[in-house]
Amino acid sequence: DVKVTQSSRYLVKRTGEKVFLECVQDMDHENMFWYRQDPGLGLRLIYFSYDVKMKEKGDIPEGYSVSREKKERFSLILESASTNQTSMYLCASSIRGLYEQFFGPGTRLTVL
Amino acid sequence: KQEVTQIPAALSVPEGENLVLNCSFTDSAIYNLQWFRQDPGKGLTSLLLIQSSQREQTSGRLNASLDKSSGRSTLYIAASQPGDSATYLCAVKRSNDYKLSFGAGTTVTVRA
Repeated sequence: DVKVTQSSRYLVKRTGEKVFLECVQDMDHENMFWYRQDPGLGLRLIYFSYDVKMKEKGDIPEGYSVSREKKERFSLILESASTNQTSMYLCASSIRGLYEQFFGPGTRLTVL
Repeated sequence: KQEVTQIPAALSVPEGENLVLNCSFTDSAIYNLQWFRQDPGKGLTSLLLIQSSQREQTSGRLNASLDKSSGRSTLYIAASQPGDSATYLCAVKRSNDYKLSFGAGTTVTVRA
């Protein structure tokens, strides 16, 4: 079975802090994605990566950056956390060609 | 831009009844369509993936159909159980895009 893990289930940070969210997949997938999910707004794509060191902006990249130094790991970085970044963050991966996405358990981030 | 709609937003049925969940999309140039289940506070679990060349896909009590020309997919869950209570989301991938476009989901409650 595909396994996508995220470093934390719950995280509480202060405004202005730098925040790192880590995602690891164990199936050698080329593609990895970061979403946020908010009530009434659904899932929105922040960034995705189709290869090591490659990244593309999604629909809402402002205030975020990403890093993919190894194929299995995709990190989401909030350079200076703000209260409007309080959300559920979901990581996903997929294999090139099939594109079935598999999701991690999510990280509930609260910025105070 | 691909728009994905799921109606109804919520559904409540007695145990044993068959569930019918609808998903419609505006751009028929899709690569595949994926159905997910999400439990409260959790990540998404992939249920079924239908490629654009397929008409349906089955897994246990779940059956998903795809009518690309009319822009519709239906997820059938036979003989519903209280454990089927969750939010069900559909997502479509366009042929020329890495991204998935998600519907807002249908929240299902199966009453014992």
